[in-house]
Amino acid sequence: QVQLVQSGAEVKEPGASVKVSCKASGYTFANFDINWVRQATGQGLEWMGWMNPNSGNTGYAQKFHGRVTMTRNISISTAYMELSSLRSEDTAVYYCARGLRGSSSYYFDSWGQGTLVTVSS
Amino acid sequence: QSALTQEASVSGTVGQKVTLSCIGNSNNVGSYAVGWYQQISHGAPKTVMFGNSLPSGIPDRFSGSKSGTTASLTISGLSPEDEADYYCSTWDYSLSAVVFGGGTKLTVL
Repeated sequence: QVQLVQSGAEVKEPGASVKVSCKASGYTFANFDINWVRQATGQGLEWMGWMNPNSGNTGYAQKFHGRVTMTRNISISTAYMELSSLRSEDTAVYYCARGLRGSSSYYFDSWGQGTLVTVSS
Repeated sequence: QSALTQEASVSGTVGQKVTLSCIGNSNNVGSYAVGWYQQISHGAPKTVMFGNSLPSGIPDRFSGSKSGTTASLTISGLSPEDEADYYCSTWDYSLSAVVFGGGTKLTVL
């Protein structure tokens, strides 16, 4: 079965960077996009961007342009999301999700368990 | 402010049918199918609907539909285990981005 397993919780100081990993299993990693979605405490889901593991192509939400980088290591079926210049508002649970792209659809069909990133001095 | 508009809260009794809505525009809901995601007690989201197709393992009490720029998720025969936050999302071609609704808190009385 499809599984996405994320790295553990992180505590970072303001201004630092964080890199979260998402290891995929149960399918061919290169064939499906990996997306990143975050959720601050008490808030809704916020999409950050997508990455095509086969090509390495990415697309980022305007809000995160210049601060987020999505990469992958195909040999170990793992995707990464790095967020830089962290501020307190970046404190949130970060999820990876597998994306299904169609001609007139884009869904997430599987989700990671989430990684809590706390930004605090 | 979310790109897609959902009711903040909806409630229903066990066995009742409820419908959650997701309102967008021609750039998103009007042009693309909508996904629905269930989040119980702030755990990881779970996909409950792709457009009007059920993912494997999701009971057929859940159904999806769309009319113009409004998508709907209907849950027939509400069960206490359906109490959760529900989010809709789709692609927006003007933004070249995925957009989410603000979420609906479903309470089962």
